[in-house]
Amino acid sequence: AQSVSQHNHHVILSEAASLELGCNYSYGGTVNLFWYVQYPGQHLQLLLKYFSGDPLVKGIKGFEAEFIKSKFSFNLRKPSVQWSDTAEYFCAVRNQAGTALIFGKGTTLSVSS
Amino acid sequence: KAGVTQTPRYLIKTRGQQVTLSCSPISGHRSVSWYQQTPGQGLQFLFEYFSETQRNKGNFPGRFSGRQFSNSRSEMNVSTLELGDSALYLCASSLAPSGSQETQYFGPGTRLLVL
Repeated sequence: AQSVSQHNHHVILSEAASLELGCNYSYGGTVNLFWYVQYPGQHLQLLLKYFSGDPLVKGIKGFEAEFIKSKFSFNLRKPSVQWSDTAEYFCAVRNQAGTALIFGKGTTLSVSS
Repeated sequence: KAGVTQTPRYLIKTRGQQVTLSCSPISGHRSVSWYQQTPGQGLQFLFEYFSETQRNKGNFPGRFSGRQFSNSRSEMNVSTLELGDSALYLCASSLAPSGSQETQYFGPGTRLLVL
């Protein structure tokens, strides 16, 4: 069965620090990849997505992610985090056979000002 | 364009009761998926509907059921509630069903507490 692993359960950073959140998935075929963010008290929002093409994907709010097929990874990055980036981040995978989104357990990011 | 709306936002029930949750997708979206979010299990897929037909189903007991109406609105029902059903239930909509290159947009969720 497909699975998604997010290596970090809780990440604590100071403002202006760089961020990298790991995401690995277990499916060997063609996949669609997503990062969603859930700010405190708000609903899940799409940060960025990868379907095909350039493996470096840019999303909203300065986030980017790189798809490395050989490593089954889709890590999320931001060069300089802000206090407002404090949120829970979810990586999700969907295979092109048409199954539903499979989510990782999430990473809580806390940014101190 | 209005986002995905879910009603009610909060619900308290007791064990053994049943509950119905409602989801209205973004206008024009015909696919609706339901997820259960708990601190221990994270986000888990319940089922997906497209054009009033269930397309996919997650690994949940038969107490969890759903349906979709001709206007794409969807309901999910949980019968014989258990304490472990306490969760945030999320609805997501997309233009086309999973398998197409479509993005799912999530609603705010219904928080269910079972006492």
